[in-house]
Amino acid sequence: ETGVTQSPTHLIKTRGQQVTLRCSSQSGHNTVSWYQQALGQGPQFIFQYYREEENGRGNFPPRFSGLQFPNYSSELNVNALELDDSALYLCASSLSGPEQYFGPGTRLTVT
Amino acid sequence: ELKVEQNPLFLSMQEGKNYTIYCNYSTTSDRLYWYRQDPGKSLESLFVLLSNGAVKQEGRLMASLDTKARLSTLHITAAVHDLSATYFCAVDKGGGGADGLTFGKGTHLIIQP
Repeated sequence: ETGVTQSPTHLIKTRGQQVTLRCSSQSGHNTVSWYQQALGQGPQFIFQYYREEENGRGNFPPRFSGLQFPNYSSELNVNALELDDSALYLCASSLSGPEQYFGPGTRLTVT
Repeated sequence: ELKVEQNPLFLSMQEGKNYTIYCNYSTTSDRLYWYRQDPGKSLESLFVLLSNGAVKQEGRLMASLDTKARLSTLHITAAVHDLSATYFCAVDKGGGGADGLTFGKGTHLIIQP
């Protein structure tokens, strides 16, 4: 059973650009959630996808969007990057139980 | 709005000592999670507490949940240096997880020899 993987590991972008982050869920997991963790803070919920549909969203603007594919892998897209978007982005996958399995994260730096 | 508060936020302690981290939350929930995070790393799941009175132990760590008091504790017994990390509690409001987990700010724990 493979765990949750994310790519890339690190990324540097310029303010105003767009970025796509990727997540492969743990085998068989049909639900994926994305979180943003600013330095020194706890993770904040961005949104959740279940069977390719967004079914929950945190307090993030529409320029944060996502996709989930039939194989349950997922993308997080951020448009018009701002300096405050610099953070560790974590995805977590789950099946039917309460346990969520977090990936290693993507460190995004916006300059 | 669900609020999750941890205290202390910073803790420096000596090896061999005992200590407790507290996690208070503001609305009804019966799912409470504890995670460990090492610098630059992702979150490692420690405990999932699913009912009032739940108690779980793993090695030198023990977690408990009191849903009536909206309080969870993470107790460290005879601390060792390897337990140095940041510890987060997180609460699931319910709704099948579609609202995500709400995390506390974390407790940065340093254990000195």
